[in-house]
Amino acid sequence: AQTVTQSQPEMSVQEAETVTLSCTYDTSESDYYLFWYKQPPSRQMILVIRQEAYKQQNATENRFSVNFQKAAKSFSLKISDSQLGDAAMYFCAYRRYANSGNTPLVFGKGTRLSVIA
Amino acid sequence: NAGVTQTPKFRILKIGQSMTLQCTQDMNHNYMYWYRQDPGMGLKLIYYSVGAGITDKGEVPNGYNVSRSTTEDFPLRLELAAPSQTSVYFCASSPDRPNYGYTFGSGTRLTVV
Repeated sequence: AQTVTQSQPEMSVQEAETVTLSCTYDTSESDYYLFWYKQPPSRQMILVIRQEAYKQQNATENRFSVNFQKAAKSFSLKISDSQLGDAAMYFCAYRRYANSGNTPLVFGKGTRLSVIA
Repeated sequence: NAGVTQTPKFRILKIGQSMTLQCTQDMNHNYMYWYRQDPGMGLKLIYYSVGAGITDKGEVPNGYNVSRSTTEDFPLRLELAAPSQTSVYFCASSPDRPNYGYTFGSGTRLTVV
């Protein structure tokens, strides 16, 4: 079974600085999808960014970007110009590709990010 | 467009009671999922459904049951509640596009005492 590991239970960053959250995954598949979700104190799960494994180019969404290293099975999230609103729990997730249809996402345990004013 | 609606948002149950967590989506998504979130443990899959009439077990199905009679609804039933079922429960849905990810409901915080 696939596993997703987030090795940093907690991180902190100064406002306006850059922070990188780590994620590694274990898979024998070549086709899959990776996601980062944000969970603020409101508890709502919000999609931050996604990456298709077949794409070599790293995904970016405004201040959020990823460093996708397929050989190393690593999928880190970089947040630039951190803002107080970025304080949240961040979850990395993996989805295996299947011809028969969607497979469920497998989530890591999360990294709690604090932003210091 | 409501997305995924979960009810109730909070509930306290006594040991041995039963309840149903409701989940409805209005996006015509084929796939629906139930997860539980425990502190420091991430989200664990309880059950999922690939379409009306089809359900399958996830990683932690014991103590739960589901049904999927319509595309829109995917209720989660807890029988004989136990303290170990104290958790936050999330329902999610997705279309038949693997790069879409999920649309999540707002969660249900359940406490069993």
